[in-house]
Amino acid sequence: AQKITQTQPGMFVQEKEAVTLDCTYDTSDPSYGLFWYKQPSSGEMIFLIYQGSYDQQNATEGRYSLNFQKARKSANLVISASQLGDSAMYFCAMRESPGTGRRALTFGSGTRLQVQP
Amino acid sequence: NAGVTQTPKFQVLKTGQSMTLQCAQDMNHNSMYWYRQDPGMGLRLIYYSASEGTTDKGEVPNGYNVSRLNKREFSLRLESAAPSQTSVYFCASSQGPITGELFFGEGSRLTVL
Repeated sequence: AQKITQTQPGMFVQEKEAVTLDCTYDTSDPSYGLFWYKQPSSGEMIFLIYQGSYDQQNATEGRYSLNFQKARKSANLVISASQLGDSAMYFCAMRESPGTGRRALTFGSGTRLQVQP
Repeated sequence: NAGVTQTPKFQVLKTGQSMTLQCAQDMNHNSMYWYRQDPGMGLRLIYYSASEGTTDKGEVPNGYNVSRLNKREFSLRLESAAPSQTSVYFCASSQGPITGELFFGEGSRLTVL
């Protein structure tokens, strides 16, 4: 089974509008972390936001917020007031079992966001 | 502010040739990783090293070997390249036990003919 599922291969949004990128995850670990990364056309991976499984509040970082619904196992990224520079590929990722020492992230297949003027 | 440095950035190989991708980080991180990125498949873990002196297989290790040379350096070797190994390769490092994000290199684009 897929550990991270991003069901939207591509999304369009008008400049200045908000957009939600979907992410669902699958884990039986009680302790885990969820991450979002941005990959612009230049190719680098840029860390955006992090949510811990025990965090009581949804994470926010500037225009980025993470809509964390633990019971539904979803961790959707919300970008407010979209800008042309937000056009990129967005990846959701999860870290499980930190106690074992393995700190690798498992990534979803990504969502390509295009912001239209 | 070097962060994670990968070399080379581009490489073209013929089937059966060997090569090594080099990665170095200057953030004193314990953990390092190699991922490959293919269209429509996100990033998949090839190998990781939780600390100096240890390496473990990830999701797609076949056809690759790694060496954690010291705390800073983690290399990925293709002993006999195959067209299926055409991909973009990313090295990354991290420090924190759970909250620590991965810091990525700029990627290395490898084409195997």
